[in-house]
Amino acid sequence: AQSVTQLGSHVSVSEGALVLLRCNYSSSVPPYLFWYVQYPNQGLQLLLKYTSAATLVKGINGFEAEFKKSETSFHLTKPSAHMSDAAEYFCAVSDRTGTASKLTFGTGTRLQVTL
Amino acid sequence: EPEVTQTPSHQVTQMGQEVILRCVPISNHLYFYWYRQILGQKVEFLVSFYNNEISEKSEIFDDQFSVERPDGSNFTLKIRSTKLEDSAMYFCASRGGPLIQFFGPGTRLTVL
Repeated sequence: AQSVTQLGSHVSVSEGALVLLRCNYSSSVPPYLFWYVQYPNQGLQLLLKYTSAATLVKGINGFEAEFKKSETSFHLTKPSAHMSDAAEYFCAVSDRTGTASKLTFGTGTRLQVTL
Repeated sequence: EPEVTQTPSHQVTQMGQEVILRCVPISNHLYFYWYRQILGQKVEFLVSFYNNEISEKSEIFDDQFSVERPDGSNFTLKIRSTKLEDSAMYFCASRGGPLIQFFGPGTRLTVL
């Protein structure tokens, strides 16, 4: 069975500071990994995905994530936070078997950006 | 830009009543999903649907739940007899090609 652990349910950073949201996964097979963002009253929007090509993945809005197999991690970073980055961020894993490719989500991290 | 839509945005119902949550996936997508998120908890997979049948379901998706694609555009989730613990945000998602699921804005279901 696959699982994802997100450390820190709430993260607060100052505008312009580095954003680091942590995600560790557990999977018996090489995983597909995703970061989704949820703005208030909106659905889940894909930020970026890892599919075993490059280990450093760039996404939208200046976010990127690095897949580290040795650490079973897929942490999300952004060099400089903007106020508009305030949202809930979800890490998710999908297995490579079967046609369903369901997503297994972490508990989410709420990012607060302060002035 | 095509998007997944869901109606209603908020549904309030009495315990024991049937509810139908509606979703319009992105046109030409072939895979459809329902997820739910109980307040303060993680987003959980309920069911996936492909080629007019369920391809996978979780243990949450018991006999009280059913899904249907009644026409070429809608994808519905029915809960036959709602319980208090069914109160949650329900997300529909669809997928056209490999991997990427596109999510709707969700329906907040409140069971009283």
